[in-house]
Amino acid sequence: DAGVTQSPTHLIKTRGQQVTLRCSPKSGHDTVSWYQQALGQGPQFIFQYYEEEERQRGNFPDRFSGHQFPNYSSELNVNALLLGDSALYLCASSLLAVGYGYTFGSGTRLTVV
Amino acid sequence: GQNIDQPTEMTATEGAIVQINCTYQTSGFNGLFWYQQHAGEAPTFLSYNVLDGLEEKGRFSSFLSRSKGYSYLLLKELQMKDSASYLCAVRFSGYALNFGKGTSLLVTP
Repeated sequence: DAGVTQSPTHLIKTRGQQVTLRCSPKSGHDTVSWYQQALGQGPQFIFQYYEEEERQRGNFPDRFSGHQFPNYSSELNVNALLLGDSALYLCASSLLAVGYGYTFGSGTRLTVV
Repeated sequence: GQNIDQPTEMTATEGAIVQINCTYQTSGFNGLFWYQQHAGEAPTFLSYNVLDGLEEKGRFSSFLSRSKGYSYLLLKELQMKDSASYLCAVRFSGYALNFGKGTSLLVTP
C-alpha cells in the first residue's frame, strides 16, 4: 500500500521564479494538507484541500496557492520565490471521516538561490 | 497565540527512559499528536490523545492533561535508532495541525 508520494524530492530555483510541487495521497485518503518546514523548526500549516476546494488556510501570503484534482492528488504553487521560501515542503493526507489519521510524505526540499 | 512549547534538545542513554514534555494553550483544544522525524525523512505518527490519560503503545506512551494544557511522550528501553526529532502537534478548532519546534533527542551508548 503506497503511502504519500511527493515529487520532486529536491529542487533548486532562483529568486523570482515560480515552482510547482506535487503530492499523491495515500490510497483511500481524500484530504490533502501542505506544510512548510524550515530547518530546525516544526512544520507550519499552509492550507488543506478537500473535494477540490481549499478548506482552511494558514498564515501564508497569496503567493502560495494550491489545487486538488478529482483523483485527490494535489499541487502546491509558489510564485515570486524569495530566499526565505527555502524549506522542506511536506504533504499530509488523511480521510475526512477519520479526524486523526494524518500520513506525511517525505517532502520536497526547495532551495531558492 | 497557540504556542506549542517543547524542549529543544535532550540527551539520554541507551536502555534508559526519557520523557519529552509539551505544553499548549488550552482554548479550542481538539486533539494532540506526537510524531517522530528522522533527518530528511517524513514525520511518522506515534500517538494521538484527545482524552485525559495515558495511551501506551509498545515502548512509547503518551499522556494528556487537557485542563493543564500538558502532554508528555515517554520512551522506554531507548535504542540508538530512537535518535530523532520528536514533534508535538495540537489541533485546535479547524483542520490544521499546529506543531511545536520539535525536540531533538540524542541517544548515546
